[in-house]
Amino acid sequence: DAGVIQSPRHEVTEMGQEVTLRCKPISGHNSLFWYRQTMMRGLELLIYFNNNVPIDDSGMPEDRFSAKMPNASFSTLKIQPSEPRDSAVYFCASSLSGISGGELFFGEGSRLTVL
Amino acid sequence: AQSVTQPDIHITVSEGASLELRCNYSYGATPYLFWYVQSPGQGLQLLLKYFSGDTLVQGIKGFEAEFKRSQSSFNLRKPSVHWSDAAEYFCAYANFGNEKLTFGTGTRLTIIP
Repeated sequence: DAGVIQSPRHEVTEMGQEVTLRCKPISGHNSLFWYRQTMMRGLELLIYFNNNVPIDDSGMPEDRFSAKMPNASFSTLKIQPSEPRDSAVYFCASSLSGISGGELFFGEGSRLTVL
Repeated sequence: AQSVTQPDIHITVSEGASLELRCNYSYGATPYLFWYVQSPGQGLQLLLKYFSGDTLVQGIKGFEAEFKRSQSSFNLRKPSVHWSDAAEYFCAYANFGNEKLTFGTGTRLTIIP
């Protein structure tokens, strides 16, 4: 399997623009997680899905952030409008069955810079 | 709220020397504990995990970790480090039944010749 695939790897945009990050989980995995990594706050869980259903979105910073999982092989994280403080590396991870499934497999991340 | 503490921000060791990275977690009846490694520009890779059973767990790349409930610790060890072990190491914790995996702030490991 190719692993978790994220796109774009790098995104530079201007404040106020819409940003869409994409993730393709490992085939057969039914849990998907979005994390954000910054120097100040480390790794933070934004939202996770189980069987395409959002289970916990308490980590989503504010209404500017939204995430969808229309099917088992695709998820998006959208920021609208973007702000400089959203600059971070966003990771998508998938697992067979949540944490108890044993291992989260991470993508290589999408580095977002908002000017 | 569950939390994970990695008290060492940066550690430098000589190649061939032993290594121990510290991790403490907030109390949980049935903790799930993990160590992940992140190389620059890469995602995180699982080194090892503890769910239950033997408190000494073996992982990939020659790493091991010991779960000590009395100390709420899950320290990572390696008897002899290699230059390729230079990376950032993250301890992570979750409670049984809670899918929220909480990461520590990470320990950056530098290897000197």
